[in-house]
Amino acid sequence: DAGITQSPRHKVTETGTPVTLRCHQTENHRYMYWYRQDPGHGLRLIHYSYGVKDTDKGEVSDGYSVSRSKTEDFLLTLESATSSQTSVYFCAISEGQASGANVLTFGAGSRLTVL
Amino acid sequence: DAKTTQPPSMDCAEGRAANLPCNHSTISGNEYVYWYRQIHSQGPQYIIHGLKNNETNEMASLIITEDRKSSTLILPHATLRDTAVYYCIVFNSGGSNYKLTFGKGTLLTVNP
Repeated sequence: DAGITQSPRHKVTETGTPVTLRCHQTENHRYMYWYRQDPGHGLRLIHYSYGVKDTDKGEVSDGYSVSRSKTEDFLLTLESATSSQTSVYFCAISEGQASGANVLTFGAGSRLTVL
Repeated sequence: DAKTTQPPSMDCAEGRAANLPCNHSTISGNEYVYWYRQIHSQGPQYIIHGLKNNETNEMASLIITEDRKSSTLILPHATLRDTAVYYCIVFNSGGSNYKLTFGKGTLLTVNP
């Protein structure tokens, strides 16, 4: 999907283990986002990045950390996974425009199950 | 960023126009209206966006009221493949704010 890939696509892990999801882009877009999606909640923003080493919290950031050491990669880490973090995680990228328009392109998603 | 209100679900007959409403009564003058859709289990897909004027592309038309407090996404000839959750969001990326949030959207079901 437009030069954005997520890995792994599926993961099953146990409570208390660390998990890292990777979002990789080949578009050289400045902005990157991590969302989670759960039944009844729609898409909720976890963290986003507006440049290398520049990140900020979203609506549901507790229990998650992110890192962006280079433009193309945005990592989402669950330091100690809990069952409430079972979800589908979507990464998105955006070029951003000074005019105010900001179109997101989403990845295919990563399904995480925490037992 | 302004919040939006959408009906949780709508039905439409195949071949008919689907008109999806969105209320954004607290929108500010420099906020854009965006529409995305998400087909089951896939990543959301951008459809269209606008600021003040009506917009049309190969997927849909966007009608924004003159006071900009509401908008309608129109799929002119809905097909079964248009069954999806449609999200309306308003956003202004002026300055350093790029925090884009989604609501729960409208589940559009296109029936044969």
